[in-house]
Amino acid sequence: DTGVSQNPRHKITKRGQNVTFRCDPISEHNRLYWYRQTLGQGPEFLTYFQNEAQLEKSRLLSDRFSAERPKGSFSTLEIQRTEQGDSAMYLCASSVGTGTPQETQYFGPGTRLLVL
Amino acid sequence: GDSVTQMEGPVTLSEEAFLTINCTYTATGYPSLFWYVQYPGEGLQLLLKATKADDKGSNKGFEATYRKETTSFHLEKGSVQVSDSAVYFCALKDSGAGSYQLTFGKGTKLSVIP
Repeated sequence: DTGVSQNPRHKITKRGQNVTFRCDPISEHNRLYWYRQTLGQGPEFLTYFQNEAQLEKSRLLSDRFSAERPKGSFSTLEIQRTEQGDSAMYLCASSVGTGTPQETQYFGPGTRLLVL
Repeated sequence: GDSVTQMEGPVTLSEEAFLTINCTYTATGYPSLFWYVQYPGEGLQLLLKATKADDKGSNKGFEATYRKETTSFHLEKGSVQVSDSAVYFCALKDSGAGSYQLTFGKGTKLSVIP
């Protein structure tokens, strides 16, 4: 299977702990995105990479959040000093950067975070 | 800013019933429009898309037509099955340089009963 993969699928942590999630995009995709989805809501954009460069960050991405994409391959999203409000599904997506209207983002299965 | 409004759920239908899920949008540019589906416990899967006015996207018996005059992209299926039970999200990607993110509606949960 060559889809987007995310690990772990589930994470339970205590408030104040740090957590890190990993995303492996589809291999030929140079663009990678992170979204957050809370219960009963649609996904909300967090940040975007083109190759290894982080080009856009949402105001939702507080200074406790950091994302990296070393070498333009996999990406990690770290949350420091977690809060209960961080509990959500974190979705990763990737796309081929065609710059055309047909460009489509393909999503991974998500990492569900629960902060106790 | 951009926004997507979907009809409130949940929607419960009997098998073989006709489905319509309404979606309207507001965008600053000329967006591409998408429907994604999320089955229980899974991530989002692209269902269909349309990139310009009057385009019709279709897949697995689902259809949606890009209506610029009414800023709408309603999802339809002539005969739903139990396996269509899922949450459906309407989304847009705006045009213009630097427009990379998808803007989603809140989702509409569909339950199909035998």
